[in-house]
Amino acid sequence: SQTIHQWPATLVQPVGSPLSLECTVEGTSNPNLYWYRQAAGRGLQLLFYSVGIGQISSEVPQNLSASRPQDRQFILSSKKLLLSDSGFYLCAWSPTTPRPNQPQHFGDGTRLSIL
Amino acid sequence: GNSVTQMEGPVTLSEEAFLTINCTYTATGYPSLFWYVQYPGEGLQLLLKATKADDKGSNKGFEATYRKETTSFHLEKGSVQVSDSAVYFCALRVNTGNQFYFGTGTSLTVIP
Repeated sequence: SQTIHQWPATLVQPVGSPLSLECTVEGTSNPNLYWYRQAAGRGLQLLFYSVGIGQISSEVPQNLSASRPQDRQFILSSKKLLLSDSGFYLCAWSPTTPRPNQPQHFGDGTRLSIL
Repeated sequence: GNSVTQMEGPVTLSEEAFLTINCTYTATGYPSLFWYVQYPGEGLQLLLKATKADDKGSNKGFEATYRKETTSFHLEKGSVQVSDSAVYFCALRVNTGNQFYFGTGTSLTVIP
C-alpha cells in the first residue's frame, strides 16, 4: 500500500532563517505531488504541485520554493522566512491522469511557527 | 472555472443529531467529488468520494450523493457522535487536470 511521510512534525524558526520541509511517498511511482499551506482556522492554499521530476508549478508568488529531486520526494524551501510563513504545511500525492477519479492523500502535516 | 462552495461554519450539534453540510461546485470538465475530514492537528483524510452523477459515496455513517442537476454534493449523517468533531472539506478534481479544488472547510463540534 501507499504511504506518505512528512517531516518534521513541528518546527520553530526565527525570522530570516532558512527552511526545508521534506515529503516522501512510498508504494507508487510517478505520483503527482502537492504542497499546501493552511493558516490557523482557514482553508487550504495550494502552493506548488509537480507532475514529474524537476517539474514544478507555482500557484502563489512568495518567498517559498519547491523542488522534486527524485520521483517520490518533494521538498519545500525558503532562504529567509517571514512571520507570515507561519502555518500548517501539508504534503499530498495523487495518481497521475488518466485516472482522474483518484483522490489526493495527505501527510500528517508540519506545524511551522516563526518567531 | 473550477470552484467549491461550502456552507459557513462553525456548526455545533448535540450528540445523535442529524448532520448536513452543504457543498456546491462549478467545474469546466466532468468532476470527481470528495469529502475529506481533518481532526485537530492532523492532515486531511479521505472520507468518501463519488465519480459520476447519481453516485452515492458512503463511509463511517456519512453519505453524499453526486447531484449533477444541482451541482451539489452535500454531506449527511443521521446521528453524529462526539468523535465526529472535526473540520470537513469538500473537494473536486476535473477529469482533465491534476489540481484539486477545495472548499474553505466547515468546522463541526458535537457536544454530549
